[in-house]
Amino acid sequence: EVQLVESGGGLVQPGGSLRLSCAASGFTFRSYSMNWVRQAPGKGLEWVSYISSSSSSSAIYYADSVKGRFTISRDNAKNSLYLQMNSLRAEDTAVYYCARGSLTGDAPFDYWGQGTLLTVSS
Amino acid sequence: SYVLTQAPSVSVAPGKTARITCGGNNIGSKSVHWYQQKPGQAPVLVIYDDSDRPSGIPERFSGSDSENTATLTISRVEAGDEADYYCQVWDSSSDLVVFGGGTKLTVL
Repeated sequence: EVQLVESGGGLVQPGGSLRLSCAASGFTFRSYSMNWVRQAPGKGLEWVSYISSSSSSSAIYYADSVKGRFTISRDNAKNSLYLQMNSLRAEDTAVYYCARGSLTGDAPFDYWGQGTLLTVSS
Repeated sequence: SYVLTQAPSVSVAPGKTARITCGGNNIGSKSVHWYQQKPGQAPVLVIYDDSDRPSGIPERFSGSDSENTATLTISRVEAGDEADYYCQVWDSSSDLVVFGGGTKLTVL
């Protein structure tokens, strides 16, 4: 059974940093691209970042709203996906989901975790 | 940047057909995916690549597209279909994933 379990959310002050993790199981993690998607309270889905399946030459993309502040990475040996978030702002407050893609960027997100909540507030 | 436009809400009576649209420039040339999200839950993929259904998704869910509009059709709507629905594409010109703003389906 495919499982994605996010962790690392919490309360952070504006300007602070936090790292989210996503533990994957039930599939060959290294063979799939992965994404982070967020959802602010009462709002719609917003894609955050993509990392391709290859760790040696990963293609990485970011939404304009987080470019330069967030860094996506993966550890295929640990079946884990990460999102390092710096210079956090109030507008980054959201539930963050990791979602599995496939071989190409236009692949659907076929499995999602349950999400972890980040609150940025003083 | 590429924009996907969805109506904020659609209402339908049980047993009827709901059509949820997603507008985008030349969306017919892209692979469109649709997600269902119920309150407090993670999104679930219900249609991928315009019209394919993942295993476990009822045949009542179908997808189609034309030049500038993609449509998610839910036949014989049930109370359990009440949810938010989002369309999504990959914009290859900018290497960005784009979601529509979402449509709240209300079953009357």
